Amino acid sequence: GQNIDQPTEMTATEGAIVQINCTYQTSGFNGLFWYQQHAGEAPTFLSYNVLDGLEEKGRFSSFLSRSKGYSYLLLKELQMKDSASYLCAVRARWQAGTALIFGKGTTLSVSS
Amino acid sequence: GAGVSQSPSNKVTEKGKDVELRCDPISGHTALYWYRQSLGQGLEFLIYFQGNSAPDKSGLPSDRFSAERTGGSVSTLTIQRTQQEDSAVYLCASSLNREDYEQYFGPGTRLTVT
Repeated sequence: GQNIDQPTEMTATEGAIVQINCTYQTSGFNGLFWYQQHAGEAPTFLSYNVLDGLEEKGRFSSFLSRSKGYSYLLLKELQMKDSASYLCAVRARWQAGTALIFGKGTTLSVSS
Repeated sequence: GAGVSQSPSNKVTEKGKDVELRCDPISGHTALYWYRQSLGQGLEFLIYFQGNSAPDKSGLPSDRFSAERTGGSVSTLTIQRTQQEDSAVYLCASSLNREDYEQYFGPGTRLTVT
């Protein structure tokens, strides 16, 4: 079956660094994604990992270990606008197509 | 260019009525996805289209749910005899093709069944 776990809530202060963890179990793994979703808005793409290692993109980095079924999203130099829900999603390749299987999301609150 | 659009943005309906939700994907995107986001839950995959065909309908929660796509573009998700548990935000996403990893999401339709 498919299962994705991430913490429900996290808090941090402006300028700090926060790491959001995600563990997954899935068949047909074909990549792991992080999306950001502000309240009432559509999810927006942040990062994609299909090979083990760290992908860095500005203030955001994402790490993947396929053997451990583990990923994290690292946010540096936190800003108030980073307060949002962060969704971990696994791409599952089936015979007929592909789809994203999402975790329930981690709500990050950044305070001054 | 224009992003993914969905209509209506909000829909309130009475239990037992049918509703139709519309998605206009990004022009040229052949892959289209429907997801549902219920309060406190993650995004739930419903159905995927490649062109006009839906190879996998197993994500649809019940036979009251159906979807179609015409002309390789617009898609409609129909829910018949709506129930209160159908209340959720229905999100549509599109990607260039089934191999393209980035999915672009629309703003969603918030469905409330009273």
